[in-house]
Amino acid sequence: DVKVTQSSRYLVKRTGEKVFLECVQDMDHENMFWYRQDPGLGLRLIYFSYDVKMKEKGDIPEGYSVSREKKERFSLILESASTNQTSMYLCASNRSRGTSGYEQYFGPGTRLTVT
Amino acid sequence: AQTVTQSQPEMSVQEAETVTLSCTYDTSESDYYLFWYKQPPSRQMILVIRQEAYKQQNATENRFSVNFQKAAKSFSLKISDSQLGDAAMYFCAYRSSGNTGKLIFGQGTTLQVKP
Repeated sequence: DVKVTQSSRYLVKRTGEKVFLECVQDMDHENMFWYRQDPGLGLRLIYFSYDVKMKEKGDIPEGYSVSREKKERFSLILESASTNQTSMYLCASNRSRGTSGYEQYFGPGTRLTVT
Repeated sequence: AQTVTQSQPEMSVQEAETVTLSCTYDTSESDYYLFWYKQPPSRQMILVIRQEAYKQQNATENRFSVNFQKAAKSFSLKISDSQLGDAAMYFCAYRSSGNTGKLIFGQGTTLQVKP
């Protein structure tokens, strides 16, 4: 079974703190993604990575950065957390090629509250 | 840019009955993939069904089937013999044929199943 894990299910941080959200996948997937989920807006792509040290901005990258030093790990960084970054954050991964390459596998999500 | 629209924020169905969730999308591409994902309460998002745009035949997976109307850019999900475990938020998603695997999600539809 593909497994995507995220470092925390719930996180409470203060405004201005630097926040790290970690995601690990165990299926040797090339692509990894960070989404933000908000009611009525669905999932919006923050950043994605198609290879180690490679990254591309998604639709809402402002206020976020990412790091992918190893193939299995993709980190989302909030440099200075703000209250409008309170949300559910979902990590996902998939292969870039092959018949099974089109399904994204999701982690359980991290519900971040910034106070 | 592609967009995905789910116009039904909430739906409800009686157990054992059939329900259809709507999804429309906008794209200028001819080759793409469409997905329905299920997100149960407090659980991970999982793939329900996938449709390749080049296939005319509608995809089916047990009690789940789609009505794919390419010309109308419509992709609805039909759940037959609804079960209590079907209660979840359902997301429609679009993916271009390129290999980055990026998904564009709709806003989501919360399905309630009444016993």
